[in-house]
Amino acid sequence: DTEVTQTPKHLVMGMTNKKSLKCEQHMGHRAMYWYKQKAKKPPELMFVYSYEKLSINESVPSRFSPECPNSSLLNLHLHALQPEDSALYLCASSQGSGPATYEQYFGPGTRLTVT
Amino acid sequence: DQQVKQNSPSLSVQEGRISILNCDYTNSMFDYFLWYKKYPAEGPTFLISISSIKDKNEDGRFTVFLNKSAKHLSLHIVPSQPGDSAVYFCAASASTSYDKVIFGPGTSLSVIP
Repeated sequence: DTEVTQTPKHLVMGMTNKKSLKCEQHMGHRAMYWYKQKAKKPPELMFVYSYEKLSINESVPSRFSPECPNSSLLNLHLHALQPEDSALYLCASSQGSGPATYEQYFGPGTRLTVT
Repeated sequence: DQQVKQNSPSLSVQEGRISILNCDYTNSMFDYFLWYKKYPAEGPTFLISISSIKDKNEDGRFTVFLNKSAKHLSLHIVPSQPGDSAVYFCAASASTSYDKVIFGPGTSLSVIP
């Protein structure tokens, strides 16, 4: 199983709503990532969890709150978002335990629209 | 300041010919490079990678060349197929944290039948 799954596929939320994005992988990977991608732009790293601990936070606003309940699951909790946060949110995972094992497997993404 | 650059936003190639996608980087700390392919409405898919200790890596129709002195890499696809039409992202990371991957802006490849 080389799949990373993300739910929901699409999400529309108001600026006062609280919602969560979910990501799951069953490849035994030790690292999981959240990226944000705007139209016609490259993915931008937001957070990295390594062995279920937050290892990288790219100065993301606190209205985005990541959570890693176990080695297979990664959540992104959203609260009080702004319309400019509308984007494709990608989850990825990697084995990352030795040379040439850092390629990341991406999920299909959640298309988020903030109204 | 873009650390990974792909100066061609788009490229069109005839089916069966070679596609060459270029990438330049500015950070001399980068020592691991990756190429990803992305179809619309899907997440990026890993294609091929290369470590800075090599200057070439080949996988089937895909070959990546690295010129460290020029801080330049290229992806060659031979022969190109219509199914290769996608956006290709060059990406780079450093041994300080291979988890922190910096993506280039992407090149949209169209392979014309």
